[in-house]
Amino acid sequence: DIVMTQSPLSLPVTPGEPASISCRSSQSLLHTNGYNYLDWYLQKPGQPPQLVIFLSNRRASGVPDRFSGSGSRTDFTLKITSVEAEDVGIYYCMQSLQTPYTFGQGTKVEIK
Amino acid sequence: QVQLQESGPGLVKPSETLSLTCSVSGGSINKNYWSWFRQTPGKGLEWIGYIYFSGVTNYSPSLQSRVTISIDTSKTHFSLTLSSVTAADTAVYYCARLGDWNSDYGFDVWGPGTTVTVSS
Repeated sequence: DIVMTQSPLSLPVTPGEPASISCRSSQSLLHTNGYNYLDWYLQKPGQPPQLVIFLSNRRASGVPDRFSGSGSRTDFTLKITSVEAEDVGIYYCMQSLQTPYTFGQGTKVEIK
Repeated sequence: QVQLQESGPGLVKPSETLSLTCSVSGGSINKNYWSWFRQTPGKGLEWIGYIYFSGVTNYSPSLQSRVTISIDTSKTHFSLTLSSVTAADTAVYYCARLGDWNSDYGFDVWGPGTTVTVSS
């Protein structure tokens, strides 16, 4: 199985300030089609995960442009340019290159 | 807009079979891949398996011997069965849709989740 490792696991943030989460995979997530099969999800309390970024750098529909994803092969980053209160929750990276799909441990983003 | 809703018993006895259904509304089940996930405090989010509308399935190796996912396209739902359950199968279970390649190609629609407890 591909192991996904996120850091940090906890991220206190000040509204209006930027935030960044790292995700590393134990194997390259770069498909022969040129896409990296790496997604980012946000899970708010009591809710299912919601898709934020797919294929490493594509924002899902309705996701504000303050969110961006980058990276390739084994190193990926989710950035929020200016954190808002509604952005709090647990962020997970997930690889979908090969089954079983696997998730990182999650990064809890909370307001300072 | 596609919506998903899980349903099934909230309590299952050890060694028995867990059965859940995911109802699909607001769109067609006759395309896309449909998955089951579960979440526990200890193991986090775990992918269980998927089914394509054609009936093709793929399961997590760690659960493969106990899991079956089926689809009923005429009734617009798909189902999960997990046999010989133990306390380790206690979790929140989610169903989800893998979006279209030319749209949001990730798990773009999720059910709200259903809690299943394994206990006698």
